[in-house]
Amino acid sequence: ETGVTQSPTHLIKTRGQQVTLRCSSQSGHNTVSWYQQALGQGPQFIFQYYREEENGRGNFPPRFSGLQFPNYSSELNVNALELDDSALYLCASRTEWTAANVLTFGAGSRLTVL
Amino acid sequence: AQSVTQLGSHVSVSEGALVLLRCNYSSSVPPYLFWYVQYPNQGLQLLLKYTTGATLVKGINGFEAEFKKSETSFHLTKPSAHMSDAAEYFCAVSNTGNQFYFGTGTSLTVIP
Repeated sequence: ETGVTQSPTHLIKTRGQQVTLRCSSQSGHNTVSWYQQALGQGPQFIFQYYREEENGRGNFPPRFSGLQFPNYSSELNVNALELDDSALYLCASRTEWTAANVLTFGAGSRLTVL
Repeated sequence: AQSVTQLGSHVSVSEGALVLLRCNYSSSVPPYLFWYVQYPNQGLQLLLKYTTGATLVKGINGFEAEFKKSETSFHLTKPSAHMSDAAEYFCAVSNTGNQFYFGTGTSLTVIP
C-alpha cells in the first residue's frame, strides 16, 4: 500500500503571495489532517477533512483554507503569506477520525516565506 | 482542554544506556496517547499508542511506554540506546477525534 505523499517538498515564496500544497492520502484513508510545524516546535493542528467536509479546525486564521477531493486527496491553501508562515506543513491521513486511530504522516512540504 | 508537556528539549545518552523521555499530559477525559518519532527531513512515524487496556504498551524498535493516570504521565523508555535512535520524539494526546495535540518534542542524541 502506498503511504501519504506530499508535493512540493520545498518551495520559496515572498510575503503576500499565495501557496497551494497537495497531499495524497494513504489508500483506504478517508480522513485528512494538516499540521504546521515551525522550526523547533511540535506540529500544530490546522484543520481536518472527512469525506470532503471540514470537521475540525485549529487556531489558524481564515487565510488558511483547504479542500478534500472525492479520491480523498487534499489541498492546503494559504493566502497573503506572512514571514511566520515559514514552516514544515505536514499532511496526515487515517481510516476514520475516531480518537484512537493513528495518523499516518507524509514527509511534509517545507515552505520558506521571504 | 488537552495539552502535552515534554520535559527536556534535549536528551543525550550513551550507546547502550537507558533511554527515558518524559511526557505529561492534561486532559479532561480519558486520553488516547501516542509517541511519534521524526528523523531529519521526514514526517512523523508512530512508535506506539495507548488507547485502553494494558497500561504498559510496547512499540517498534524496542520502545515502550507506561500510562500512569495518577501521575498524568506517559514516559517513553528503551533499555539500551542504539545510534539509530537519534531523532526527534513527540508525545501526543487525542480525545476528540478531530485533532491531536503534540508536545514540543525531545531531541535524542546517542553518544558512541
